[in-house]
Amino acid sequence: QSALTQPASVSGSPGQSITISCTGTSSHVATYNFVSWYQQYPGKAPKLIIYGVTNRPSGVSNRFSGSKSGDTASLTISGLQAEDEADYYCSSSTSGGTLDVLFGGGTKVTVL
Amino acid sequence: QITLKESGPTLVKPTQTLTLTCTLSGFSLTSSGAGVGWIRQPPGKALEWLALIYWDDDKRYSSSLKNRLTITKDISKNQVVLTMTNMDPVDTATYYCTHTVVIMKDAFDIWGQGTTVIVSS
Repeated sequence: QSALTQPASVSGSPGQSITISCTGTSSHVATYNFVSWYQQYPGKAPKLIIYGVTNRPSGVSNRFSGSKSGDTASLTISGLQAEDEADYYCSSSTSGGTLDVLFGGGTKVTVL
Repeated sequence: QITLKESGPTLVKPTQTLTLTCTLSGFSLTSSGAGVGWIRQPPGKALEWLALIYWDDDKRYSSSLKNRLTITKDISKNQVVLTMTNMDPVDTATYYCTHTVVIMKDAFDIWGQGTTVIVSS
């Protein structure tokens, strides 16, 4: 069981907006802005789409946005497109001296 | 252009030690702020972070695996090496080498293609 909790699946129709949640604890998500999000297609390496809670790397569509409230981080995909169908993982770093990098269990996004 | 390429054995026997090499291109671990991490993914399962090494030789390990892991860098070869001892079938996974910089707050912006490791007798 992952220390970061994500819904197993989220679905939406083309053009809609969907939000994926990532719930942690005060040891990581709530306290530090070390939250990132990755998109992964089957058989491919993950791709970074959000870092530092809200920042998009160069070349990533502005349809992807990140936010955080308390111990829950969120990824919103607006204007959903067929190409957005993939697995999405959140990540955060911990405190307390261990400085682990944690990943969520992943969310399968289906475009209806 | 930054690229990373993993190499190592495809098949490892239980109890053996796994050695994986990541060859870096387009950057060096002498560059201030640069880091290389290892992340694995068992078939059909989630990502799991393993270890991280920075330009200044600062190293971090997964708290659940730290007794089995060693990460080192070879500047002359522009490589990072990860060793994992006492391999078990549950360690069967695709192992990824990744690039990061301190300013990205433990986010990994460039990934290698991954290398599959199967642990079986």
